[in-house]
Amino acid sequence: AQSVTQLDSQVPVFEEAPVELRCNYSSSVSVYLFWYVQYPNQGLQLLLKYLSGSTLVKGINGFEAEFNKSQTSFHLRKPSVHISDTAEYFCAVRGETSGSRLTFGEGTQLTVNP
Amino acid sequence: DTAVSQTPKYLVTQMGNDKSIKCEQNLGHDTMYWYKQDSKKFLKIMFSYNNKELIINETVPNRFSPKSPDKAHLNLHINSLELGDSAVYFCASSLNQGRTEAFFGQGTRLTVV
Repeated sequence: AQSVTQLDSQVPVFEEAPVELRCNYSSSVSVYLFWYVQYPNQGLQLLLKYLSGSTLVKGINGFEAEFNKSQTSFHLRKPSVHISDTAEYFCAVRGETSGSRLTFGEGTQLTVNP
Repeated sequence: DTAVSQTPKYLVTQMGNDKSIKCEQNLGHDTMYWYKQDSKKFLKIMFSYNNKELIINETVPNRFSPKSPDKAHLNLHINSLELGDSAVYFCASSLNQGRTEAFFGQGTRLTVV
């Protein structure tokens, strides 16, 4: 089984500042990793994913994340945030074995202030 | 053209009633899911179907019964609704059970009064 810990439940930042949302996972098998964003009253939208290969993955809206196997982390970063990035962000993990479920962290509320 | 659509978007009902939420995906995916998001935004998987076959059945009350008439549809029926069932329910689908992401519907906000 896998588990995900998002280390910050809320992250307030000012517009144009850089941001990092932290995610750590636990798994006995190799994993696939995902970041989703949820805007108010909407469903979840995929930001980016790590399946294999380069540990630095780039996603939509200028976000990127780095997979660190030794630290079992998959932190999400953006060099300069906008007001429109205000949303809930979820890290998720799925084990490589067939039938493994997609497990979510508890979410991080990113609030970008002017 | 919505990829994963669920209806209704909002559902307000009284305790003890029976209600259904419908979900359809037009992505040609084999696997579909129901997730429950509580008031603290925590997402927990409830059920998963692969090609109409139940593959994940988490510990949910048996008042919740999923039905998959074909691989493009996964409906959720809830009997004898309770106050604690109030939540947002998300349907999702993925290409298969393997290394693919899930695509989510817009959610159904269920309020039991």
